[in-house]
Amino acid sequence: QVQLQESGPRLVKPSQTLSLTCTVSGGSISSGDYYWSWIRQPPGKGLEWIGYIYNSGSTYYNPSLKSRVSMSLDTSKNQFSLTLSSVTAADTAVYYCARATRVVILEYWGQGTLVTVSS
Amino acid sequence: QSALTQPASVSGSPGRSITISCTGTSGDIGSFDLVSWYQQDPGKAPKLMIYAVNKRPSGVSNRFSGSKSGNTASLTISGLQAEDEGEYYCCSYATSSPVVFGGGTKLTVL
Repeated sequence: QVQLQESGPRLVKPSQTLSLTCTVSGGSISSGDYYWSWIRQPPGKGLEWIGYIYNSGSTYYNPSLKSRVSMSLDTSKNQFSLTLSSVTAADTAVYYCARATRVVILEYWGQGTLVTVSS
Repeated sequence: QSALTQPASVSGSPGRSITISCTGTSGDIGSFDLVSWYQQDPGKAPKLMIYAVNKRPSGVSNRFSGSKSGNTASLTISGLQAEDEGEYYCCSYATSSPVVFGGGTKLTVL
Protein backbone atom coordinates (compact mmCIF):
# COMPACT_ATOMS: atom_id res chain seq x y z
CA GLN A 1 0.00 0.00 0.00
CA VAL A 2 1.39 3.37 -1.03
CA GLN A 3 1.63 5.93 1.75
CA LEU A 4 2.67 9.58 1.64
CA GLN A 5 3.71 11.83 4.50
CA GLU A 6 4.32 15.58 4.41
CA SER A 7 6.96 17.21 6.58
CA GLY A 8 8.39 20.66 7.04
CA PRO A 9 8.07 23.88 9.06
CA ARG A 10 4.57 24.66 10.27
CA LEU A 11 5.23 28.40 10.60
CA VAL A 12 6.78 30.61 7.94
CA LYS A 13 7.33 34.35 8.07
CA PRO A 14 5.89 36.63 5.36
CA SER A 15 8.20 37.14 2.36
CA GLN A 16 10.16 33.98 3.21
CA THR A 17 10.14 30.61 1.44
CA LEU A 18 7.90 27.70 2.36
CA SER A 19 9.54 24.29 1.96
CA LEU A 20 7.82 20.94 2.32
CA THR A 21 8.89 17.37 1.67
CA CYS A 22 6.74 14.35 0.91
CA THR A 23 8.13 10.95 1.83
CA VAL A 24 6.70 8.04 -0.14
CA SER A 25 6.59 4.47 1.11
CA GLY A 26 5.26 1.33 -0.54
CA GLY A 27 6.52 2.24 -3.99
CA SER A 28 9.35 3.94 -5.82
CA ILE A 29 8.89 7.51 -7.02
CA SER A 30 11.23 6.85 -9.91
CA SER A 31 9.12 4.16 -11.55
CA GLY A 32 5.64 4.00 -12.96
CA ASP A 33 3.51 6.49 -14.85
CA TYR A 34 2.82 8.72 -11.86
CA TYR A 35 2.53 12.42 -11.28
CA TRP A 36 3.75 13.42 -7.83
CA SER A 37 1.49 16.28 -6.92
CA TRP A 38 0.93 19.07 -4.41
CA ILE A 39 -2.51 20.45 -3.52
CA ARG A 40 -3.39 22.99 -0.87
CA GLN A 41 -6.52 24.00 1.02
CA PRO A 42 -6.82 27.32 2.88
CA PRO A 43 -8.74 27.01 6.15
CA GLY A 44 -12.45 26.66 5.45
CA LYS A 45 -11.96 26.82 1.69
CA GLY A 46 -11.68 24.52 -1.30
CA LEU A 47 -8.84 22.63 -2.92
CA GLU A 48 -6.24 24.31 -5.10
CA TRP A 49 -3.88 22.35 -7.32
CA ILE A 50 -0.29 23.59 -7.04
CA GLY A 51 1.50 21.37 -9.52
CA TYR A 52 3.22 18.07 -10.19
CA ILE A 53 6.60 16.57 -10.88
CA TYR A 54 6.88 13.48 -13.07
CA ASN A 55 9.37 10.70 -12.42
CA SER A 56 11.53 12.08 -15.24
CA GLY A 57 11.80 15.35 -13.33
CA SER A 58 9.55 17.31 -15.65
CA THR A 59 7.21 19.69 -13.89
CA TYR A 60 3.96 21.55 -14.47
CA TYR A 61 2.75 24.28 -12.15
CA ASN A 62 -0.52 26.11 -11.63
CA PRO A 63 -0.21 29.24 -13.78
CA SER A 64 -1.36 31.39 -10.86
CA LEU A 65 1.58 30.20 -8.72
CA LYS A 66 4.12 29.42 -11.39
CA SER A 67 6.43 32.36 -10.67
CA ARG A 68 6.86 31.30 -7.02
CA VAL A 69 6.77 27.48 -7.15
CA SER A 70 9.48 24.90 -7.60
CA MET A 71 9.37 21.12 -7.20
CA SER A 72 12.09 18.50 -7.10
CA LEU A 73 12.66 14.76 -6.68
CA ASP A 74 15.12 12.99 -4.40
CA THR A 75 15.05 9.42 -5.63
CA SER A 76 17.69 8.29 -3.12
CA LYS A 77 15.32 9.14 -0.28
CA ASN A 78 12.11 8.40 -2.19
CA GLN A 79 10.95 11.94 -1.57
CA PHE A 80 9.68 14.88 -3.55
CA SER A 81 9.64 18.49 -2.44
CA LEU A 82 7.82 21.79 -2.83
CA THR A 83 9.15 25.29 -2.39
CA LEU A 84 6.97 28.39 -2.52
CA SER A 85 8.74 31.72 -2.36
CA SER A 86 7.66 35.18 -1.20
CA VAL A 87 4.81 33.83 0.89
CA THR A 88 2.01 35.95 2.31
CA ALA A 89 -0.87 35.23 4.67
CA ALA A 90 -2.86 34.06 1.63
CA ASP A 91 -0.53 31.06 1.41
CA THR A 92 -1.68 29.80 4.81
CA ALA A 93 -3.23 26.42 4.08
CA VAL A 94 -3.17 22.69 4.63
CA TYR A 95 -0.71 21.37 2.09
CA TYR A 96 -1.24 17.85 0.73
CA CYS A 97 1.05 15.71 -1.35
CA ALA A 98 -0.50 13.07 -3.56
CA ARG A 99 0.22 10.49 -6.24
CA ALA A 100 -1.75 10.89 -9.44
CA THR A 101 -2.22 8.86 -12.56
CA ARG A 102 -3.31 10.47 -15.82
CA VAL A 103 -2.58 13.79 -14.05
CA VAL A 104 -6.00 14.21 -12.41
CA ILE A 105 -6.63 10.85 -10.75
CA LEU A 106 -5.29 11.66 -7.29
CA GLU A 107 -5.42 8.18 -5.87
CA TYR A 108 -3.16 8.42 -2.83
CA TRP A 109 -2.91 11.41 -0.51
CA GLY A 110 -0.81 12.37 2.47
CA GLN A 111 -2.60 13.37 5.66
CA GLY A 112 -1.83 17.04 5.02
CA THR A 113 0.12 19.57 7.01
CA LEU A 114 -1.05 23.03 8.07
CA VAL A 115 1.43 25.75 7.21
CA THR A 116 0.77 29.16 8.71
CA VAL A 117 2.33 32.32 7.31
CA SER A 118 2.70 34.82 10.12
CA SER A 119 5.31 37.06 11.68
CA GLN B 1 -13.33 31.69 -7.74
CA SER B 2 -13.02 28.05 -8.73
CA ALA B 3 -12.70 26.97 -12.33
CA LEU B 4 -15.50 24.40 -11.97
CA THR B 5 -18.88 25.34 -10.52
CA GLN B 6 -20.58 23.19 -7.91
CA PRO B 7 -23.60 23.90 -5.71
CA ALA B 8 -22.53 24.96 -2.24
CA SER B 9 -24.74 22.40 -0.55
CA VAL B 10 -27.11 19.53 -1.18
CA SER B 11 -29.12 17.42 1.22
CA GLY B 12 -31.12 14.24 1.17
CA SER B 13 -32.84 11.75 3.42
CA PRO B 14 -31.38 8.34 4.21
CA GLY B 15 -32.15 5.84 1.49
CA ARG B 16 -32.83 8.49 -1.14
CA SER B 17 -30.59 9.61 -4.00
CA ILE B 18 -28.84 12.90 -4.60
CA THR B 19 -26.90 14.32 -7.51
CA ILE B 20 -24.11 16.88 -7.35
CA SER B 21 -23.40 18.81 -10.52
CA CYS B 22 -20.07 20.19 -11.67
CA THR B 23 -20.12 22.67 -14.52
CA GLY B 24 -17.06 23.56 -16.52
CA THR B 25 -16.30 24.64 -20.06
CA SER B 26 -15.25 23.24 -23.41
CA GLY B 27 -11.68 23.68 -22.19
CA ASP B 28 -12.03 21.14 -19.42
CA ILE B 29 -15.02 18.87 -18.78
CA GLY B 30 -16.39 19.32 -22.26
CA SER B 31 -13.22 18.11 -23.97
CA PHE B 32 -11.80 15.42 -21.71
CA ASP B 33 -13.15 12.29 -20.08
CA LEU B 34 -10.87 12.95 -17.13
CA VAL B 35 -13.28 13.99 -14.42
CA SER B 36 -12.72 12.72 -10.90
CA TRP B 37 -14.66 13.16 -7.67
CA TYR B 38 -13.34 13.32 -4.10
CA GLN B 39 -15.01 12.97 -0.73
CA GLN B 40 -13.52 14.87 2.20
CA ASP B 41 -14.41 14.47 5.84
CA PRO B 42 -13.53 17.32 8.23
CA GLY B 43 -9.84 17.34 9.09
CA LYS B 44 -9.07 14.51 6.67
CA ALA B 45 -7.46 14.22 3.28
CA PRO B 46 -9.75 13.88 0.26
CA LYS B 47 -10.59 10.38 -0.91
CA LEU B 48 -10.96 9.40 -4.56
CA MET B 49 -14.52 8.20 -5.24
CA ILE B 50 -14.87 8.36 -9.04
CA TYR B 51 -12.32 8.74 -11.83
CA ALA B 52 -12.46 8.99 -15.61
CA VAL B 53 -16.06 10.26 -15.34
CA ASN B 54 -17.70 7.03 -14.21
CA LYS B 55 -15.16 4.54 -12.88
CA ARG B 56 -14.99 3.50 -9.25
CA PRO B 57 -11.74 2.65 -7.47
CA SER B 58 -11.60 -0.66 -5.69
CA GLY B 59 -13.37 -0.43 -2.34
CA VAL B 60 -15.73 2.41 -3.22
CA SER B 61 -19.40 1.51 -2.87
CA ASN B 62 -21.41 0.99 -6.05
CA ARG B 63 -23.89 3.48 -4.60
CA PHE B 64 -21.57 6.12 -6.06
CA SER B 65 -21.76 6.76 -9.79
CA GLY B 66 -20.59 9.42 -12.18
CA SER B 67 -21.67 10.76 -15.54
CA LYS B 68 -21.04 13.61 -17.94
CA SER B 69 -23.06 15.54 -20.47
CA GLY B 70 -21.49 18.34 -22.42
CA ASN B 71 -19.64 20.65 -20.06
CA THR B 72 -21.30 19.27 -16.92
CA ALA B 73 -20.31 16.27 -14.85
CA SER B 74 -22.44 14.73 -12.13
CA LEU B 75 -21.96 12.56 -9.09
CA THR B 76 -24.95 10.53 -7.95
CA ILE B 77 -25.16 8.84 -4.58
CA SER B 78 -27.98 6.37 -4.20
CA GLY B 79 -29.31 4.81 -0.99
CA LEU B 80 -27.94 7.71 1.06
CA GLN B 81 -26.32 6.80 4.34
CA ALA B 82 -25.23 8.95 7.26
CA GLU B 83 -21.59 8.09 6.51
CA ASP B 84 -21.90 9.80 3.11
CA GLU B 85 -21.99 13.22 4.76
CA GLY B 86 -19.03 15.41 3.93
CA GLU B 87 -17.62 17.73 1.31
CA TYR B 88 -17.41 16.59 -2.31
CA TYR B 89 -15.08 18.06 -4.91
CA CYS B 90 -15.02 17.53 -8.64
CA CYS B 91 -11.80 17.77 -10.59
CA SER B 92 -11.02 17.84 -14.29
CA TYR B 93 -8.14 17.92 -16.68
CA ALA B 94 -8.03 21.34 -18.35
CA THR B 95 -6.10 22.87 -21.18
CA SER B 96 -5.41 25.96 -19.06
CA SER B 97 -4.02 24.46 -15.88
CA PRO B 98 -4.04 21.27 -16.35
CA VAL B 99 -5.85 20.38 -13.13
CA VAL B 100 -8.87 22.34 -11.93
CA PHE B 101 -11.14 21.73 -8.95
CA GLY B 102 -14.69 22.69 -8.19
CA GLY B 103 -15.44 24.81 -5.16
CA GLY B 104 -16.87 21.89 -3.22
CA THR B 105 -20.36 20.78 -2.21
CA LYS B 106 -21.38 20.05 1.35
CA LEU B 107 -23.63 17.01 1.55
CA THR B 108 -25.97 16.76 4.51
CA VAL B 109 -27.89 13.57 5.21
CA LEU B 110 -31.08 14.66 6.93
